[in-house]
Amino acid sequence: GAVVSQHPSRVICKSGTSVKIECRSLDFQATTMFWYRQFPKQSLMLMATSNEGSKATYEQGVEKDKFLINHASLTLSTLTVTSAHPEDSSFYICSASTAGIYNEQFFGPGTRLTVL
Amino acid sequence: AQKVTQAQTEISVVEKEDVTLDCVYETRDTTYYLFWYKQPPSGELVFLIRRNSFDEQNEISGRYSWNFQKSTSSFNFTITASQVVDSAVYFCALRGSGGSYIPTFGRGTSLIVHP
Repeated sequence: GAVVSQHPSRVICKSGTSVKIECRSLDFQATTMFWYRQFPKQSLMLMATSNEGSKATYEQGVEKDKFLINHASLTLSTLTVTSAHPEDSSFYICSASTAGIYNEQFFGPGTRLTVL
Repeated sequence: AQKVTQAQTEISVVEKEDVTLDCVYETRDTTYYLFWYKQPPSGELVFLIRRNSFDEQNEISGRYSWNFQKSTSSFNFTITASQVVDSAVYFCALRGSGGSYIPTFGRGTSLIVHP
C-alpha cells in the first residue's frame, strides 16, 4: 500500500519556538493532505485540509496563523506550529489522499510534540 | 451531518476471549464508506478494513471479523481468541461520497488484553 512518512517522529521544544513537521507521500502523488491533532485518549481532530499549490482550508476553531500549512508539492506538506506553547503539546498526524473514486487516505506515523 | 458512535470507551478482556467492538453511524449519504483502524501505543494508525455501503457481506480476516448491518447502521468488529498484541485503541470511521471525502472518526475504544 501507499506509504506516508512524517518527520520528526518526536520533538521537544521550548515555549515560544516554532516547530516544523513534514509529511511526505513516498510512493504516490497526493492531491490532498490532511492534518489531524490527537490529544491523549481522544479521537483524531481534523485541523486542516490542503491541496497542492493552494491555501489550506482550516477547520473551525483552528488558528491559521498559529498552524501554518504549506503544501509545496504533490509529495510534501509541512505544518509549522508557530510560537509553540505547552497547550500545543499533542500528537499530530498527517494523511495523504490520492485522486480517484475512493480518495483513499493513507496515514503517517504521527509526530509527538512536547512543548516545555 | 455524519456521526460515528463508539459507545464502549474501554474494554478489558483476558487473552483468548472473544471481544466485539461496537460502531454505530449516522449519515444522509446513500453511498458511503466505513473503516476500522487500529492505533497501538506507538501511535501509528493501522488500516484494518474498508467497507462500502453497497456491500453488506460480512468479512473475516484471520481472527478479525466485521459485521455490517445497514438496517441498524452498525459496523461491528469482532476479535476472536484475543491476544495481548491486540491491545490498542480501535477507531471506527465513516466517509461520505462525492465531495464529503473527509472521514468522521468515532471516539475510539481502548482494548486491553490481559495475559
